[in-house]
Amino acid sequence: SYELTQPPSVSVSPGQTARITCSGDALPKKYAYWYQQKSGQAPVLVIYEDIKRPSGIPEKFSGSSSGTMTTLTISGAQVEDEADYYCYSTDTSGTHRVFGGGTKLTVL
Amino acid sequence: QVQLVESGGGVVQPGRSLRLSCAASGFTFSSYAMHWVRQAPGKGLEWVALISYDGSNKYYVDSVKGRFTISRDNSQNTLYLQMNSLRVEDTAVYYCTREAPQLMFDYWGLGTLVTVSS
Repeated sequence: SYELTQPPSVSVSPGQTARITCSGDALPKKYAYWYQQKSGQAPVLVIYEDIKRPSGIPEKFSGSSSGTMTTLTISGAQVEDEADYYCYSTDTSGTHRVFGGGTKLTVL
Repeated sequence: QVQLVESGGGVVQPGRSLRLSCAASGFTFSSYAMHWVRQAPGKGLEWVALISYDGSNKYYVDSVKGRFTISRDNSQNTLYLQMNSLRVEDTAVYYCTREAPQLMFDYWGLGTLVTVSS
């Protein structure tokens, strides 16, 4: 079955740039999406189609993609950005969806 | 405004069945593909199942194939997940989500907790 691989954790100091990667064999052909989930809450979409930002999401959140890796960048990370971040995509057939294992972002 | 409200969760013994429902409102339900996503306690998100806007196409994660059935009633604006032969590892919060045309999940319910335990 298809898998997306993320680092379990990323830690930065306040004001620094946090980068969270996600790798998968189908990513050169399929878009990636990023979700932020804070404790006890439903996930929120922060990036779609690799690089696009939904309305209402701060410009500090950006996405990029190269080959089999996609990256979520959070510029000037603050304590309020602490959350679990999940990448999401589909397999090459487009029928089966998958989330990455999630990355816990710590800002301290 | 768009609302997705899950119900039907609870505590059930291994091997038994449970049916989850998701009541949708605030949008044209019959125009959107819908998904179930689950999250085991302290674990990550796991995609479970997808149903097309008209119910003609259904897809499942391998771990639930043959045990779970996703369905919808567009006349009642309701999504379902029939879960049979439940296992301890099916214990999770189950979320109902709407898929936007760009294949993203743009709205989520608050989730319903399913606990499989003897």
